[in-house]
Formats: sequence, C-alpha cells, structure tokens
Amino acid sequence: EVQLVESGGGLVQPGGSLRLSCAASGFTFSSYWMSWVRQVPGKGLEWVANIKQDGSEKYYVDSVKGRFTISRDNAKNSLYLQMNILRAEDTAVYYCARAIIRGPLTYYFDYWGQGILVTVSS
Amino acid sequence: SYELSQPPSVSVSPGQTASISCSGDKLGDKYACWYQQKPGQSPVLVIYQDTKRPSGIPERFSGSNSGNTATLTISGTQAMDEADYYCQAWDSRTAVFGGGTKLTVL
Repeated sequence: EVQLVESGGGLVQPGGSLRLSCAASGFTFSSYWMSWVRQVPGKGLEWVANIKQDGSEKYYVDSVKGRFTISRDNAKNSLYLQMNILRAEDTAVYYCARAIIRGPLTYYFDYWGQGILVTVSS
Repeated sequence: SYELSQPPSVSVSPGQTASISCSGDKLGDKYACWYQQKPGQSPVLVIYQDTKRPSGIPERFSGSNSGNTATLTISGTQAMDEADYYCQAWDSRTAVFGGGTKLTVL
C-alpha cells in the first residue's frame, strides 16, 4: 500500500524557516517524480514544486522561487521542502504527492499524503 | 501563465447526471485530470489522461476533453459524491489547477 506521511509543519514567524519532510513507503520511491502541493484552508489547490527521480530536475511555482528548495533522499525514501523567508501568504496545508509524468503531456498526482499545516504568523 | 476555470458550484439531484466543466486555452491539446476532495480529506484522483479511471474509482465517473473544455461527468450521482472537484493540466513544466467546483447533491 502506498503511503506518504508529511511532518515538520507548525507555527513560524514571518521571515522564518521551516523544513517539511515526507516519508514514502509501499512503492519504489526512486522511480517516481515527487511533488509538493499546498492548499490555503478553505481555498483551492496550488502546485508548489516538483523533483525528478534522481533529483537532477526541479521546478517551482513562481511565488516560491528563490525561497523554497525541494530535495529528496532516495536511500531514505524521503522528500523534503526547505522553506525560507516565509510569508503570511505561505500559510497552507502542504501535501506531498507522487507525480506521474510521462512525456510532454501526461502529468498527474496519483497518491497524496494527509497534509501538514504550516502557519506563518507573528 | 496558463489558467483553468471552473464554475464555483454545481447542484444535482440524487440519481441524476452531474457535469463539471474546466476551461482553458486549447485545453483539448493537453491531458486533463480530475481530483475529488471531501471535507477534511486529501484529494483523490478520479480521472487521468482525460478519460481514464484509476483502480477503485466507480464507473459512474467519466471524463472528456475537446477544444477548450474538459468535462467531468458523474452518472447516477450519489450522496457520497458531494465534494469539491478540481481539474488539473500540465503547462510549461508546471501543474495548473482549476479553482475547484463544489458539487452539492440535493
């Protein structure tokens, strides 16, 4: 059974940093692209970042470029999101998701974690 | 940047057919997928590559995509289908979500 379990969320002050982790199990982690998707409570979904199987390619939504870094450790079956210079508008539930990316057109998220809340407030 | 538009809400009576649209420039040239999200839960993939259903998703869920519009259709809608639905596509190495549609079964 595929499982994705996020951790590391919480309350942080504006300008602060936080590192999210996602522990994966039930599949060959190193064979899949992985992503972070966030959702402001009561609002819609927003893709945040992607990382290729070997970590050689990473992509970010414009609003987090230069502040967030996605990474992975295939030996530990873990995905990470380092979030720096946090802003109030980064407050959201952050989901770890397994991405299926095939060619230029196929891209979807077939498994999601339970989500972790990040609150940026003074 | 690429945008996808969905109606904020759709209502349907139990047993009837619900259709939720998702509009974007030349969306039919891309693959669309759909997620269902119930309150307090994580999203669940219900349709991918326009028309395909993941294992475990009931046959009453179907999808289509042509021109500028993708459509999620739920036939014989049940009370358990009440949820938020999001479309998603891929553009310029980024995932784009629609704003979501709240499906009410009444």
